[in-house]
Amino acid sequence: DAGVIQSPRHEVTEMGQEVTLRCKPISGHDYLFWYRQTMMRGLELLIYFNNNVPIDDSGMPEDRFSAKMPNASFSTLKIQPSEPRDSAVYFCASSLLDVMGTGDEAFFGQGTRLTVV
Amino acid sequence: DAKTTQPNSMESNEEEPVHLPCNHSTISGTDYIHWYRQLPSQGPEYVIHGLTSNVNNRMASLAIAEDRKSSTLILHRATLRDAAVYYCILRDVYGGSQGNLIFGKGTKLSVKP
Repeated sequence: DAGVIQSPRHEVTEMGQEVTLRCKPISGHDYLFWYRQTMMRGLELLIYFNNNVPIDDSGMPEDRFSAKMPNASFSTLKIQPSEPRDSAVYFCASSLLDVMGTGDEAFFGQGTRLTVV
Repeated sequence: DAKTTQPNSMESNEEEPVHLPCNHSTISGTDYIHWYRQLPSQGPEYVIHGLTSNVNNRMASLAIAEDRKSSTLILHRATLRDAAVYYCILRDVYGGSQGNLIFGKGTKLSVKP
């Protein structure tokens, strides 16, 4: 498996534009996480899915952010409209989780560096 | 959510062992203790995890206190490539926060040649 794949790697957009970040999790993983990382706030969990269902989106900063997981192999994080304060590195991660605690390490993608000007 | 407390930063000399502490006094019985690290300009990567017993893998060892209120990540021989931010995280298997993986501020480890 190629690991968690995120696209694009870099995105520069103008304030007010719609931005869509994409993530392909590792095949067979049933958990998918979206994080945002900035120097000021560190690594923040935005939302996570279990079996394609959003479990907790309390980290989504505001209504401008939305995330979907239409199937087990694809997820998107959308920002509409984008603002300069959304500039950050966005990470996607996937994992298994089982009650025995085995095999449930999370694998992270390389991240998308978003710059909103 | 159960929280962890780690020192902001630590220094180590190359080739010497490093002990990275983590306090988690409110840990529940179903919380696994996970460690991740983040190298500069990279995404976090898994290091090790455990429940009650000490754990070893090719990267590190995890020592868990008997009352599970603290743990220590042990790098047996630090190298310059181990310079990173190390995160200690509690991951619940059951309950309302099942599967959640929340990162704190972590410990920034510097390794001197």
